[in-house]
Amino acid sequence: EVQLVESGGGLVKPGGSLRLSCAASGFTFSSYSMNWVRQAPGKGLEWVSSISSSSSYIYYADSVKGRFTISRDNAKNSLYLQMNSLRAEDTAVYYCARGEEAYGSGSYFDYWGQGTLVTVSS
Amino acid sequence: SYVLTQPPSVSVAPGQTARITCGGNNIGSKSVHWYQQKPGQAPVLVVYDDSDRPSGIPERFSGSNSGNTATLTISRVEAGDEADYYCQVWDSSSDHLEVFGTGTKVTVL
Repeated sequence: EVQLVESGGGLVKPGGSLRLSCAASGFTFSSYSMNWVRQAPGKGLEWVSSISSSSSYIYYADSVKGRFTISRDNAKNSLYLQMNSLRAEDTAVYYCARGEEAYGSGSYFDYWGQGTLVTVSS
Repeated sequence: SYVLTQPPSVSVAPGQTARITCGGNNIGSKSVHWYQQKPGQAPVLVVYDDSDRPSGIPERFSGSNSGNTATLTISRVEAGDEADYYCQVWDSSSDHLEVFGTGTKVTVL
C-alpha cells in the first residue's frame, strides 16, 4: 500500500524557516517524481514544487521561487521542502504527492499524504 | 499565467447526473486531471489524462475534453459524492507549471 506521511509543520514567525518532510513507503520511491501542493485555509489547491526521480529536474511556482528548496533522499525514501523567508500568505496545509507522467506533458498526482499545517504568524 | 475556471458550485439530486466544467484557453490540447476532496481529507485522483479512471474509482466518474472546456461527469450521483472537485493541467508558460482549477463544490440535495 502506498503511503505518504508528512511532518514538520507548525507555527513560525514571518521571516522564519521551516523544513517539511515526507516519508514514503509501499512503492519504489526512486522511480517517481514527487511534488508539494498546498492549500490555504478555505482556499483551493496550489502546486508548489516538483522534483524528478533522480533530482535532475526541479521546478517551483513563482510564488515560492528563491525562498523554498525541494530535495529528496532516495536512500531514505524521503522528500523535503526547506521553506525560508516565510510570509503570512504561505500559511497552508502542505501535501506531498506522487507524480505520474501525464499523456503529452506534465504530471498528475496519484497518491497524496494527509498534509501538514504550516502557520506563519507573529 | 494559465487560468482554469470552474463554477463555484453545482447542486444535484441523488441518482441524477452532475457535470462539472473546467474552462481554459484551448484546454482541449492538454491532458486534464480531476481530483475529489472531501472536508478535512487529502485530494483523491478520480480521472486522469482527460478520461481514464484510476483503479478503485467507480465507472460513474467520467471525463471529456474538447475545445476550451473539459468536463467531469458524475452519473447516478450518491450522497458520498458530495465534495470539492478540482481540475488540473500542465502549462509550461504559466507561473505555476501544474495549474489547478478554482474548484467546484458539489452538493447532493
